[in-house]
Amino acid sequence: DAGVIQSPRHEVTEMGQEVTLRCKPISGHNSLFWYRQTMMRGLELLIYFNNNVPIDDSGMPEDRFSAKMPNASFSTLKIQPSEPRDSAVYFCASSRTRDRPSYEQYFGPGTRLTVT
Amino acid sequence: AQSVTQLDSHVSVSEGTPVLLRCNYSSSYSPSLFWYVQHPNKGLQLLLKYTSAATLVKGINGFEAEFKKSETSFHLTKPSAHMSDAAEYFCVVRATNDYKLSFGAGTTVTVRA
Repeated sequence: DAGVIQSPRHEVTEMGQEVTLRCKPISGHNSLFWYRQTMMRGLELLIYFNNNVPIDDSGMPEDRFSAKMPNASFSTLKIQPSEPRDSAVYFCASSRTRDRPSYEQYFGPGTRLTVT
Repeated sequence: AQSVTQLDSHVSVSEGTPVLLRCNYSSSYSPSLFWYVQHPNKGLQLLLKYTSAATLVKGINGFEAEFKKSETSFHLTKPSAHMSDAAEYFCVVRATNDYKLSFGAGTTVTVRA
């Protein structure tokens, strides 16, 4: 299995531009998570999808952030407009709900976003 | 609610010597516990997990961890450090039947030649 795939791996953009991050979960996994990692705040859960439906988006910082999961094999995280404080590494992770109780999550390599 | 405290932000060891990374947790329910490793500019990789089976858990790359309920601890050890073990390590807790992971702040391991 190729694991969780994220693209792009690096993104540099100017303040005010729209940024779209992409994720392909592991085949057969029905849960998908977006995280943000910064030095100041560590790893934060942004949003959780189960069976393509957003279950918990309480971690999404503000309305500039949106996430979609149109099918079981693809998700996007969009920031519009981007701001310098959005600079971080964004991780996508997936898991199988039926693999309780461990419910371990498998992480992608991350997208390093720099907003200038 | 659950939380994790990693007691050391940085650990430095010599190659070939033991490694100990300390983790204490709190959880309202029977927890699942994990250790993840993150190498520079890489994603998080699962090292091992505890899910209420054996209290001594063996993981990849020679790491193991022991779940001690009385001490609410889940310390990670390796008998002999290798240069490739230099990375950041995260202790993670999840309450049973919950999807949310609570991450520790991380412990950075450096290995001296």
